[in-house]
Amino acid sequence: GENVEQHPSTLSVQEGDSAVIKCTYSDSASNYFPWYKQELGKRPQLIIDIRSNVGEKKDQRIAVTLNKTAKHFSLHITETQPEDSAVYFCAAEGNTGKLIFGQGTTLQVKP
Amino acid sequence: GAVVSQHPSWVICKSGTSVKIECRSLDFQATTMFWYRQFPKQSLMLMATSNEGSKATYEQGVEKDKFLINHASLTLSTLTVTSAHPEDSSFYICSAPRPEPGTYEQYFGPGTRLTVT
Repeated sequence: GENVEQHPSTLSVQEGDSAVIKCTYSDSASNYFPWYKQELGKRPQLIIDIRSNVGEKKDQRIAVTLNKTAKHFSLHITETQPEDSAVYFCAAEGNTGKLIFGQGTTLQVKP
Repeated sequence: GAVVSQHPSWVICKSGTSVKIECRSLDFQATTMFWYRQFPKQSLMLMATSNEGSKATYEQGVEKDKFLINHASLTLSTLTVTSAHPEDSSFYICSAPRPEPGTYEQYFGPGTRLTVT
């Protein structure tokens, strides 16, 4: 079945450094790739997304890259701040509209 | 903007009882909604797709007789956990696709924390 692999599971960086989280997906029909930030006990919050016809998208300190050939996509956060600390999930959506989530990455930004 | 709500936000029930969770799209219609389950420190796992006017589609390994889904109207889907057991304790989240054509984003409800004692 459809599968999304996410790495690393935990990531600790110093404030101001960059953080990169990587995901791979198995379903070649996937065409939408959102990234979510989730705080404890809360709903996932969309932080950035990318469609399959685009290779890169940037929004201030956050960027996402997509390599459809390799079925890889990555989240890049620059100039990290302590408030960036949270759990981040990637996801892939195919034609059915179902979102398949990666396992999650706990990001800790140390002041 | 469009919002999805869930009720209740948390519930405690005794083992063997049933619990109903509601998911509502507040200012848009949703012919499809999705139900996820999230155990502590784990990812969101898709349980089923709720379809207005037809039966829900369950993911592999999800018991349809235990997790009853009813898409009662274009703004309401319900998930009933029947004969709940402690292992059903989890965070249940619903989502609905953004209604604007050509968009892919999904709106998530705030989640329901279920604790079965």
